[in-house]
Amino acid sequence: GQNIDQPTEMTATEGAIVQINCTYQTSGFNGLFWYQQHAGEAPTFLSYNVLDGLEEKGRFSSFLSRSKGYSYLLLKELQMKDSASYLCAVSTGGFKTIFGAGTRLFVKA
Amino acid sequence: DAGVIQSPRHEVTEMGQEVTLRCKPISGHDYLFWYRQTMMRGLELLIYFNNNVPIDDSGMPEDRFSAKMPNASFSTLKIQPSEPRDSAVYFCASRTPSGGTDTQYFGPGTRLTVL
Repeated sequence: GQNIDQPTEMTATEGAIVQINCTYQTSGFNGLFWYQQHAGEAPTFLSYNVLDGLEEKGRFSSFLSRSKGYSYLLLKELQMKDSASYLCAVSTGGFKTIFGAGTRLFVKA
Repeated sequence: DAGVIQSPRHEVTEMGQEVTLRCKPISGHDYLFWYRQTMMRGLELLIYFNNNVPIDDSGMPEDRFSAKMPNASFSTLKIQPSEPRDSAVYFCASRTPSGGTDTQYFGPGTRLTVL
C-alpha cells in the first residue's frame, strides 16, 4: 500500500528553527517533494530530493534517507508568513505523486 | 506565463445537479492532473493525462465522475449527478517531463459546495 505520515500540527516561534518530519512507505520511489500551501491557496513547490542527503535552498532545507523511508523539511529564521501547511509527497513512478495529509505550522510572535 | 487557470473558482450547487470544472494548463506542459482536497482525506489524485490521453484514472471515485482533455490547452472534470460528499476543493496541475524534477504546478482550485 501507499502511506505517507507527517505530524498534523506544529507550533514554533518567529526567528526559530523548525523541523517537519515525513516517513513514507510506497510501492515505488522516484523522488520526494515538499510543497507549501497557505490557507485557501494552491500548493506551491518548495523542494525535491531524489538522492540521499541534504538539499539547501535559502531558509529552507530538505533531507532524504531512502533506506529509512524518511525525509524532513527544515525551516530556519521563521517568519510569520511561514504559517502554512507543508505537504510531503512521493513520486511513485509513472508520473504519479502521492501526497501526505500535511503538517499545519503555526508561527507565533 | 499566466500559470494554470481554473474556472469557476467557486461553485455552489444542489444535490443531483451536473457540475463541470475547467482547467487550462501551462502552455507546453504535456501532463495534466486533477486532484481533490478535503480535510478528511487530504490531497488525492483523481486522474492524469499525457498528451491529452488519460493515463491513470484509478483515483476517480465512481462513475459519476468523468474527465476529458479534448486538446492540449483544455480539460474538464464533470460530476453528474453531484452529491454533498463531493464538496471539496478540486485542483488542476500541469508539468512537463523535461523539467527534470517532476514538479507539478497547481492552479488556484475550484471550491465546490454541493447542498
